[in-house]
Amino acid sequence: QKEVEQDPGPLSVPEGAIVSLNCTYSNSAFQYFMWYRQYSRKGPELLMYTYSSGNKEDGRFTAQVDKSSKYISLFIRDSQPSDSATYLCAMSDGGSSYKLIFGSGTRLLVRP
Amino acid sequence: SAVISQKPSRDICQRGTSLTIQCQVDSQVTMMFWYRQQPGQSLTLIATANQGSEATYESGFVIDKFPISRPNLTFSTLTVSNMSPEDSSIYLCSVDRPTGGSSYEQYFGPGTRLTVT
Repeated sequence: QKEVEQDPGPLSVPEGAIVSLNCTYSNSAFQYFMWYRQYSRKGPELLMYTYSSGNKEDGRFTAQVDKSSKYISLFIRDSQPSDSATYLCAMSDGGSSYKLIFGSGTRLLVRP
Repeated sequence: SAVISQKPSRDICQRGTSLTIQCQVDSQVTMMFWYRQQPGQSLTLIATANQGSEATYESGFVIDKFPISRPNLTFSTLTVSNMSPEDSSIYLCSVDRPTGGSSYEQYFGPGTRLTVT
C-alpha cells in the first residue's frame, strides 16, 4: 500500500464548475500538506501549503486537511480551462530530512 | 518563492554514458533536493543536498550512480552515471523557501527530460 493515494483521473468538468481533488494517506505522522499544479512538460508549482488540520483559502483555491480521517482535499471554484493540469498532493512528517511524499497526481481537464 | 533554472532542459544520451544536470537558484537556500519523475508516475526523492556536507540518499539510490555536488548556496549538480534506458525520466531539482531558515515548502525547477537509447 502506498503512503499517499490519489485518484489518477482524468477528471473532466465544464468551465465554471467546482472541482474537488482528494488524497488519502496512511502515515499519521504527516503534519505538513501541500498541493502542487503541474502543467505538461513543466515543473510542479506550489499552490497551497498547510500545517496540521483545518482549512486554508487563497483566491479560488481552498485546501482542507482532516487528520482524523487522514484525508486532504483541494477545492477549485469557478474552474477555468487554464486550470487544466495534473494536481499533486505532497506531505511531510516534519522530520529533519524535510522529505516530501507525493501522490501520483490527478489529471484535471476543464472544458470550455 | 525562488526562481530555479535547470540545464539542460532535455537530452538524448546513449547507454553507458553519463549526464550532469545543473540546478541554479536566484537566491541562497539552505536545502536543495533532487527528484525523479518517471513517465506516468509521481515524484520520488533521490537525495538531499546541503552545502558543505555529503548528500543524503534515499533508499534505492546510491552515490556511485547519482553523484551530487553542492558547492554553494545557489547551485547543485546531479550526475546520472553509466546510463541505461531505465534511467529515462524527468529529473527535477527543488529548493526550500529562501527565508534563511529551513522549511517544508519546496519550489521546483522546470525539470530535465532525459531519454537514454
